Amino acid sequence: DTGVSQDPRHKITKRGQNVTFRCDPISEHNRLYWYRQTLGQGPEFLTYFQNEAQLEKSRLLSDRFSAERPKGSFSTLEIQRTEQGDSAMYLCASSLHGTSGTGELFFGEGSRLTVL
Amino acid sequence: DAKTTQPPSMDCAEGRAANLPCNHSTISGNEYVYWYRQIHSQGPQYIIHGLKNNETNEMASLIITEDRKSSTLILPHATLRDTAVYYCIVRPITGGGNKLTFGTGTQLKVEL
Repeated sequence: DTGVSQDPRHKITKRGQNVTFRCDPISEHNRLYWYRQTLGQGPEFLTYFQNEAQLEKSRLLSDRFSAERPKGSFSTLEIQRTEQGDSAMYLCASSLHGTSGTGELFFGEGSRLTVL
Repeated sequence: DAKTTQPPSMDCAEGRAANLPCNHSTISGNEYVYWYRQIHSQGPQYIIHGLKNNETNEMASLIITEDRKSSTLILPHATLRDTAVYYCIVRPITGGGNKLTFGTGTQLKVEL
């Protein structure tokens, strides 16, 4: 199954450290999305890419957060100087935008971050 | 994007139909209704979507009222594996990057 894969699945870090998450989308999908989800809440949109271009960023994405998709394939989400409030599940999704498909988003299983 | 309102939780007996309601009274003519679900510790999964007409697929049926201000997701024969949080989302047909704006959803618990 070549669905959306995320790595690592779990990350525990100390406050102030930097962390990076990787997302590999479904291979033919041109759009890639990052979401954050805290306990008891629905996923919150952070940012999305079309190919390598970052087209929208939520105001939730503070300047400590940076996302890249350098070759329009995999993406990374880096959090610098982590804070305890960054503890959450970080979800990646991809979709095929254009001539076919329903435009539905396919989600990975997420990367759970715990900041101590 | 239009806001949706869902009950926070529902219970259903296994084998019975689960009917999950959603209000979207401010929906505009260029917005779809989408349903996703999220099983514990997994990412959200697409179920179904519709614009005006009722829709059915192998997972569920979607009934949209004629005024489009509410909809119901129907799981015809719920199983224990259908226990999940179900999200009703309205999304523009074009624009907005196809992104989804999730609420808090309905926690469906299917019991024996």
